[in-house]
Amino acid sequence: AQTVTQSQPEMSVQEAETVTLSCTYDTSESDYYLFWYKQPPSRQMILVIRQEAYKQQNATENRFSVNFQKAAKSFSLKISDSQLGDAAMYFCAEGFSSNTGKLIFGQGTTLQVKP
Amino acid sequence: DVKVTQSSRYLVKRTGEKVFLECVQDMDHENMFWYRQDPGLGLRLIYFSYDVKMKEKGDIPEGYSVSREKKERFSLILESASTNQTSMYLCASSFQRDTYNEQFFGPGTRLTVL
Repeated sequence: AQTVTQSQPEMSVQEAETVTLSCTYDTSESDYYLFWYKQPPSRQMILVIRQEAYKQQNATENRFSVNFQKAAKSFSLKISDSQLGDAAMYFCAEGFSSNTGKLIFGQGTTLQVKP
Repeated sequence: DVKVTQSSRYLVKRTGEKVFLECVQDMDHENMFWYRQDPGLGLRLIYFSYDVKMKEKGDIPEGYSVSREKKERFSLILESASTNQTSMYLCASSFQRDTYNEQFFGPGTRLTVL
């Protein structure tokens, strides 16, 4: 079975500093996509960033960037200049090119941002 | 903006009750999903649907059923609620022709079964 693993249940970072959340996945597919979703406390889950597996260049979205290591099947999220609003649970997910649109999610990492 | 709504944010039910959780999306998405979120386990797929009246089991379908009579609405049914079904339930939808399969989530329903 394909799995996504987030080995850090909780992380904390000082405001304005940088933090990296880890994610590994296990797939034999050649065509897949990777996502980081953010779930703020009591609010809806939203997409933070996504990466196509065929692209070598790491995706970036403002203060959020990924380190995609395809051979190692690793997909970490780096948050730069952390803000209090970044405090949330973050989920890594893997998707495949199919009409069903299923995603496989990791266990989640709770990020605390300290003022 | 895509909007996915769920019928209740909080729900308290008794063991043995039949429970209906409703999800509605307003973006004409073909795919809809029901997840269960538990601490340390992440999101686990219960059921999904890729078309009206079509459904497929996810990873943990036992004790649940679903209904999709209209494209915009996907219902999760707990036939006879049990205490181990106390959890956060998330609904999501996605556009079938979206290469990336990005899913859009509802706010969640926190269900407590006493």
